[in-house]
Amino acid sequence: DAMVIQNPRYQVTQFGKPVTLSCSQTLNHNVMYWYQQKSSQAPKLLFHYYDKDFNNEADTPDNFQSRRPNTSFCFLDIRSPGLGDAAMYLCATSRERGMGLYEQYFGPGTRLTVT
Amino acid sequence: AQKVTQAQTEISVVEKEDVTLDCVYETRDTTYYLFWYKQPPSGELVFLIRRNSFDEQNEISGRYSWNFQKSTSSFNFTITASQVVDSAVYFCALSEADSNYQLIWGAGTKLIIKP
Repeated sequence: DAMVIQNPRYQVTQFGKPVTLSCSQTLNHNVMYWYQQKSSQAPKLLFHYYDKDFNNEADTPDNFQSRRPNTSFCFLDIRSPGLGDAAMYLCATSRERGMGLYEQYFGPGTRLTVT
Repeated sequence: AQKVTQAQTEISVVEKEDVTLDCVYETRDTTYYLFWYKQPPSGELVFLIRRNSFDEQNEISGRYSWNFQKSTSSFNFTITASQVVDSAVYFCALSEADSNYQLIWGAGTKLIIKP
């Protein structure tokens, strides 16, 4: 089945120790998104890739970076995690941009704990 | 400014009862899109429905139905004969025509179905 896969499902890192979360998709979608979701809150968009074009949200901290080496894979790098970065990180894809026509499909998320 | 309000933070019902989740939105655009997503305890956001602003027909899908009323800026979601598996957080979201990737999310409603 075509899907969005995130690894690992649970990640524990130490304060200040860089961590990378990964996302892969078999849907062959052009757009990949990274969201941060804290407990009892709605998802917050960090950035997205339209093909190879990176689009950062204005309020995304510099501590968060992303890479998309090919259509199928996208990575979220947190350079120096703080306690406030503990959250669920959701990857999503859509065939194209244009929300009226193309809904987003989400992966299961990676729950990040910072100790 | 665009906004989505889900006034019900948490709803608890007994299995087999009908339940309605409210969603009220604000937008200045005449063309916009409304969405419902389900987030079960496993964490993955599941797309349920998309509706555009020009289509006010109600939609039914099995036990799920949606009532879109532009006059009251509401897009409510009803589950008929609820089941324990319906327990989840449900998010309503809005996208405007000129925003080709952004979703404006409601705060979510946590639905608990008791056996």
